[in-house]
Amino acid sequence: EPEVTQTPSHQVTQMGQEVILRCVPISNHLYFYWYRQILGQKVEFLVSFYNNEISEKSEIFDDQFSVERPDGSNFTLKIRSTKLEDSAMYFCASPRGLNTEAFFGQGTRLTVV
Amino acid sequence: AQTVTQSQPEMSVQEAETVTLSCTYDTSESDYYLFWYKQPPSRQMILVIRQEAYKQQNATENRFSVNFQKAAKSFSLKISDSQLGDAAMYFCAYRSARNTNAGKSTFGDGTTLTVKP
Repeated sequence: EPEVTQTPSHQVTQMGQEVILRCVPISNHLYFYWYRQILGQKVEFLVSFYNNEISEKSEIFDDQFSVERPDGSNFTLKIRSTKLEDSAMYFCASPRGLNTEAFFGQGTRLTVV
Repeated sequence: AQTVTQSQPEMSVQEAETVTLSCTYDTSESDYYLFWYKQPPSRQMILVIRQEAYKQQNATENRFSVNFQKAAKSFSLKISDSQLGDAAMYFCAYRSARNTNAGKSTFGDGTTLTVKP
């Protein structure tokens, strides 16, 4: 069973629509990260989340993005009004502890049409 | 800010032979972690190997080993006895060990490895 599970695996949405990507760790993880990978490009950091707060965010993570942990287990990334350029693979990553490597989920492929 | 550079966009190797993927990084920190991730066509990110900066000994995982040169800020990945299943995109990544910046990784642009039968 994977350490981190993401849903959905693939989502197609129309431009301007809101999407919610979900991430669930197998055990009690405290740190969460979202990364984005546009097809053929590098993996880019979006945001880190610790203790129910954003601890760091990148320039990419603008007002259309938000993260939350609504029920203590799921960790979500919301994109309020999707744009064509939001089409990418979105990865959730989470380590078991501070000094361990982060386990990556299998990713959500978001396609905005 | 830390940067990670992979100077080889593409590499190829004959099956059963050895290949080395290059990675350099820039940081002012002394304590950090370095990783190599494999991304097959499924696009899942799979951790291949990890190196702690405070360890002088190079990490090894079966057919995968690294050459970590801290002073030169170099972290290359050697794949021995290459197999067809090794074909993938490989990313080098840096992560600070500072508690205030725990977990965020900076990735290189990636190297696409082709394995020829």
